[in-house]
Amino acid sequence: EDQVTQSPEALRLQEGESSSLNCSYTVSGLRGLFWYRQDPGKGPEFLFTLYSAGEEKEKERLKATLTKKESFLHITAPKPEDSATYLCAVHTGTASKLTFGTGTRLQVTL
Amino acid sequence: DAMVIQNPRYQVTQFGKPVTLSCSQTLNHNVMYWYQQKSSQAPKLLFHYYDKDFNNEADTPDNFQSRRPNTSFCFLDIRSPGLGDAAMYLCATSQTAETQYFGPGTRLLVL
Repeated sequence: EDQVTQSPEALRLQEGESSSLNCSYTVSGLRGLFWYRQDPGKGPEFLFTLYSAGEEKEKERLKATLTKKESFLHITAPKPEDSATYLCAVHTGTASKLTFGTGTRLQVTL
Repeated sequence: DAMVIQNPRYQVTQFGKPVTLSCSQTLNHNVMYWYQQKSSQAPKLLFHYYDKDFNNEADTPDNFQSRRPNTSFCFLDIRSPGLGDAAMYLCATSQTAETQYFGPGTRLLVL
């Protein structure tokens, strides 16, 4: 059974304090790893898709990386508006379904 | 802008009273999904349509049903809502097995 584990569950940073969120996975045949941002009371917003080990994607202060066992979401010099829950999900096999982790709740304070 | 739209954003229903949530998309994607998300939990897939083919998850209660009358619209019917069905319901779309794009969600409250 595919498993996705995110850590930490919650993270509090001061503005400008860089850090990384972890997503470790145990799957049979990874076809894609996805990062989403979810604000309270809203649907997940797509950030990145990674397909193979060594791949990296960047968007503003966010950078996602992928190895054969885990993915990291690096946040450089975060701002309060980066506060949200960050969800990781994997796509495996031939079905169209995703398996989600439970997310990391990020709070960035002034 | 192409998007996924869910109506209503908030729905209050009574215990046992049927309720329908709706989702529409302008992305022209062939796959539409319904997820249930409870507080601080991961989204849980209920079912999805691959074109007109309906795919139900094994652990989705019979109380939940879905209809997809055309490519753009998909409905989630809860026949007899219980208190445990209070949650955020998320609709998502994708083109085959590519990236899923989510709507804003419908928050369901059961009294």
